[in-house]
Order: sequence, then C-alpha cells, then structure tokens
Amino acid sequence: EVQLVESGGGLVKPGGSLRLSCAASGFTFSSYSMNWVRQAPGKGLEWVSSISSSSSYIYYADSVKGRFTISRDNAKNSLYLQMNSLRAEDTAVYYCARLRGVAGTGHNWFDPWGQGTLVTVSS
Amino acid sequence: DIQMTQSPSSLSASVGDRVTITCQASQDISNYLNWYQQKPGKAPKLLIYDASNLETGVPSRFSGSGSGTDFTFTISSLQPEDIATYYCQQYDNLPTPTHFAFGPGTKVDIK
Repeated sequence: EVQLVESGGGLVKPGGSLRLSCAASGFTFSSYSMNWVRQAPGKGLEWVSSISSSSSYIYYADSVKGRFTISRDNAKNSLYLQMNSLRAEDTAVYYCARLRGVAGTGHNWFDPWGQGTLVTVSS
Repeated sequence: DIQMTQSPSSLSASVGDRVTITCQASQDISNYLNWYQQKPGKAPKLLIYDASNLETGVPSRFSGSGSGTDFTFTISSLQPEDIATYYCQQYDNLPTPTHFAFGPGTKVDIK
C-alpha cells in the first residue's frame, strides 16, 4: 500500500523554526517528485514546494521562498521541509504529496497525500 | 500567474441530484486540470486527472470535462458520502518556474 506519513508539526513562536518530515512506503520513492501542500484553518489548499526525484529541480511558492527549504533522502525514503522565520500566516496543516504524471510536462497531479501535520505559529 | 475561479463556492442538493461545479482558468491551460475531494478532517483525494480521466477506484458517478479555460466537474447522482469540498488544481510554468495552483473550492452539502 502506498503510504505517506508526516511528522514534526507543533507549536512554535513567530520567528522560530521547525522541520517537517514525511516517511514514504509502498512505492519506489526515488522515482517520484514530491511536494508539500498546506491548508490554513478553514481555508483552501496552497501548494508550498516541489522537489524532483533526484533533487535536481526545486521550486517554491512565492509566499515561502527564502524561508523554507525542501529536501529529500532517497536512501531513507523521506521528504523534509525546513521552515525558518515562521509567521502567523504559516499556521496550517502541512501535507506531503507524491507527484504522478509525466515528468517535464503539465500532466501532473498529486496522489496520494499524507494525513497531514499541524503547524501552529503563535506567541 | 494563472488565476483559477470555481463556482459555486457552496451548494446544497438532494440525494440523487446531478451536481455540477465549474472551474475557469484565466489563460489556456490545455487539459492540465485535476479535481480533488476533501472530506472534513481528511486529506484530499484525487478523483479526476487531465480534466476527464477518472482515477482508478473512483466511482463512475464522478466525471470531468473541458479544455482550454473552462472545465466542469459532475456528480451524476449525489450520494451522502459525497459530502465534501471539491478543488480544481492546475499546473503553471509561466512566468516563473513550475508551480501549482488550486481553485478556492466548492463545498457540497446534502439538502
């Protein structure tokens, strides 16, 4: 069974840092691009960051560029999100999601998604 | 950036009704449009990819159509388990490198 399990969320003060992890199983992790998508309480979905299978290509939403760093360890089947300089508006459930489709084209979709981990930024 | 709009933002329908949600892109996105279902407290789930392809295991009452800028998502006969928020999602690589955007969502309730 393909599974993604996030961890590392919690309460952090504004300006603080947090590192999220996503453990993958049930598929060849090193063959897929991976993503982080977040959802603020009561709000819609917002794509955060994407990393290609070999970490050659990395992209960020403008809202997190320069503050968040995505990385992966294919030997450990794990995806990470280092979040620095956190703000109240970063409060959200963070999901990791596998990218399926045809690499290098617009034919891409997120499947599956993990259960999410809640990050709360508050003093 | 390409802007996505969804309508309606919410709807209430009876069991067995046909439900239609539309998603409009501000520019031509070919068929780079996917649909997700998110039930309360749960992660999103892929239903339709590339505008009209039904994901394996998804009931056939769900369907999608469209290309270019206008897309439609349909539930042919609404069931109680379809209570959820539905999101469209597109891929964009202009003017910046690859990123993805979601529509604002449509909340579906049972009347």
